[in-house]
Amino acid sequence: EAGVAQSPRYKIIEKRQSVAFWCNPISGHATLYWYQQILGQGPKLLIQFQNNGVVDDSQLPKDRFSAERLKGVDSTLKIQPAKLEDSAVYLCASSSTGGDTQYFGPGTRLTVL
Amino acid sequence: GENVEQHPSTLSVQEGDSAVIKCTYSDSASNYFPWYKQELGKRPQLIIDIRSNVGEKKDQRIAVTLNKTAKHFSLHITETQPEDSAVYFCAASIGGGADGLTFGKGTHLIIQP
Repeated sequence: EAGVAQSPRYKIIEKRQSVAFWCNPISGHATLYWYQQILGQGPKLLIQFQNNGVVDDSQLPKDRFSAERLKGVDSTLKIQPAKLEDSAVYLCASSSTGGDTQYFGPGTRLTVL
Repeated sequence: GENVEQHPSTLSVQEGDSAVIKCTYSDSASNYFPWYKQELGKRPQLIIDIRSNVGEKKDQRIAVTLNKTAKHFSLHITETQPEDSAVYFCAASIGGGADGLTFGKGTHLIIQP
């Protein structure tokens, strides 16, 4: 089966610009997660969706980050405006209903100059 | 919220020797503990996981132990090989893995030939 897909793979922007990332989970996976991985650290959960509803967004900086999963499949994560400290790899993961294993996508490496 | 501490940050072992990575967690409600391997520039990949109703789990050269009372769990890799070189992350989750994961900071495992 196809894995989690993400695009773009790399993005370079200047501070105060906006950027969007896209994720397509494994077919049939109801739960989708966005993680932020800063260089040298473990991934940090930003937001979790169950179908098209938000389960947990407690660590999402809502003044500049937003995410949606309108039809319960694909998801987009947006940053507006970006700050230097947003430079990181943004990982999308998905899991099946009632399943434990989270499968990660290849990530989008964001550099904010 | 949950806090996961991971040690050591770097571990260098001779090829063929064993490697042990240790993690502690803070929330006694956590009940799912996966380990991910991440090679440079690649996505995290699950290598083994354990639930709180089990004390030990083994898969070929890899084993994980869990001490619920002490709130710590460990990854054991025996007969290490060059391809084991990577960064390893432990994680914890409440809700059996359906919830978001809280990751440790990672251990860079180096296998010396």
